[in-house]
Amino acid sequence: NAGVTQTPKFQVLKTGQSMTLQCAQDMNHEYMSWYRQDPGMGLRLIHYSVGAGITDQGEVPNGYNVSRSTTEDFPLRLLSAAPSQTSVYFCASSAPGTGEKEQYFGPGTRLTVT
Amino acid sequence: GDSVTQMEGPVTLSEEAFLTINCTYTATGYPSLFWYVQYPGEGLQLLLKATKADDKGSNKGFEATYRKETTSFHLEKGSVQVSDSAVYFCALSDSGGYQKVTFGTGTKLQVIP
Repeated sequence: NAGVTQTPKFQVLKTGQSMTLQCAQDMNHEYMSWYRQDPGMGLRLIHYSVGAGITDQGEVPNGYNVSRSTTEDFPLRLLSAAPSQTSVYFCASSAPGTGEKEQYFGPGTRLTVT
Repeated sequence: GDSVTQMEGPVTLSEEAFLTINCTYTATGYPSLFWYVQYPGEGLQLLLKATKADDKGSNKGFEATYRKETTSFHLEKGSVQVSDSAVYFCALSDSGGYQKVTFGTGTKLQVIP
């Protein structure tokens, strides 16, 4: 199993450009999430999905869109990049349960917006 | 809402020293508690977990006990190695339908030979 994969690993964008960060998992997990990691702030939830066709906003959703057409894939779209979106982005997946299930993380995408 | 507070880093220790990283939490209900570790350039991976009060999670010589009375989940290791250098995150997961996970800010550990 590849686990959770993310592409690209690094990306530089200019302000106003759009792009899609790809995330895929091969563990048949129902739950998938996108986080951003910023120094001194830990991980903050952007959007999440509890199954194909179902998504919801997390703590910091503004400027990002998601969709979940299949169980495996959960892309994150930046609509119009801003310098404040410079961060490291992690995708994670987990099996449904009552809170005891661990999250499996991808290796991350380091995004710089100039 | 839920929150996790962990000690500020960085923490620098000599090899074979004793490690404690403090973590306290605020949550309604009965959350599950986790420690994740992030090695340089990688994503987070689960180190250990505990799902109810007085449970002790352990892995790779690390351990943490779920203390409901003090709302704490401190990470300990008796003898650290250089390979333990990483960032450690305390986290809690609520028991709701989505299992929303709340992370602490992370504590960077550097172990020197």
